[in-house]
Order: sequence, then C-alpha cells, then structure tokens
Amino acid sequence: DIQMTQSPSSLPASLGDRVTITCRASQDIGNYLRWFQQKPGKSPRLMIYGATNLAAGVPSRFSGSRSGSDYSLTINSLESEDMAIYYCLQHNEYPHTFGAGTKLELK
Amino acid sequence: EVQLVESGGGLVQPGRSLKLSCVASGFTFSNYGMNWIRQAPGKGLEWVAYISSGSSYIYYAETVKGRFTISRDNAKNTLYLQMTSLRSEDTALYYCARPSNWGQGVMVTVSS
Repeated sequence: DIQMTQSPSSLPASLGDRVTITCRASQDIGNYLRWFQQKPGKSPRLMIYGATNLAAGVPSRFSGSRSGSDYSLTINSLESEDMAIYYCLQHNEYPHTFGAGTKLELK
Repeated sequence: EVQLVESGGGLVQPGRSLKLSCVASGFTFSNYGMNWIRQAPGKGLEWVAYISSGSSYIYYAETVKGRFTISRDNAKNTLYLQMTSLRSEDTALYYCARPSNWGQGVMVTVSS
C-alpha cells in the first residue's frame, strides 16, 4: 500500500501567517492527490484536487503544489475560519490512503 | 444541490451485522463512482471501499475485505455497505462520499 507521511501533525500559527502542510508519498502517485479540510463536528471538504487545482468555492489564499514525491498545501494570510484539520489523500491506486492529518490551530 | 444522506447506523454487538445506506440527490448518481470512508472517534480518516458507476469495479481496504460488501442501486440512487462479523475496531462515523461531496456520516458502534 502507498503510505502518505503528513507533517507536521500540529501547526500553531497566527492570523495573517503563511503556513504550509506537506505529504510525502511512498510511491509515485502522479498528481492523484487531494487535500481535505475538516472542522469539528463537520464532514470533510475538498480543497485541492489534482495536487494543484482549487476546488469550487475554495478561497484563493489556498494553493497546492508538488515537488517530486512531496505534495504541499499552502495557506496565505491565515484567517480564523481556516483553523481545522487538514488531510491529504492519494487516489492513484487502491487502497486509497489518507495522511494522518495536520491540526492547524491558533498560536 | 448535491446531497448524500446516510442511514442505518447504531449500536451492534461484536460479530453481528449491519447495513448502511446512502441516498444521493442533486446529481446523476449513476455516472459516479462512490466511496465509503470512516473515522473512528477522535481519529483520522480511513478509506473503506469503492464501487464504480456501473458496479464493475469494487475495491476494499484490507481491514474490511471479506467482511464488508459495497453495492449500489442506480435506480434508487442509493449506495450500500453491508457489514458482517463486526469488531470493536469498526466503531466509527461512516461517510458516503464522492470526491467533492460527503454525507453527514452515520455512527456505527460495535460493543457488547
């Protein structure tokens, strides 16, 4: 199975900060990488698909990038509504696998 | 508006069975592959199973293979997950999902 190593597990940050979360794939997954946001008591929301494409309705301060087997989610100018847990998901092959999650919280 | 509404969860004893349903609306259900994804209390997301639009392709996580069966009825816009030989580690919130849309989840608790 493909392992997705997500870091950091916790990310304290201040409003207005620029933050980056990273997932490293244990095998080649091409651009079959999605990012999800989950707020407490809510279902996950698709933020990024195809590693770099913004999902519908997602603010432009979110962006996705890829460098080799490293995939990153960057949030520019952090807002209070961005505090959540973020998960990456590889869907290049079955079983699909999620990263362990990154909890973004106010410093 | 796309809606996915799960049902069928509850408290069940270890070794017993349970069948989840997910009714879809707001999109052409028969055109989309669908997934079940679960989340144990306080834990991360775990992909469980996938079924293609016409049911030709089905895949399972190793943790549920041989015990869970995913199926769909396109005429009823409904996705199913038949769960047998349930274990305490199957306790989780089960989501029905296509990539861009998730249901609200249904809780399954396996306990004696």
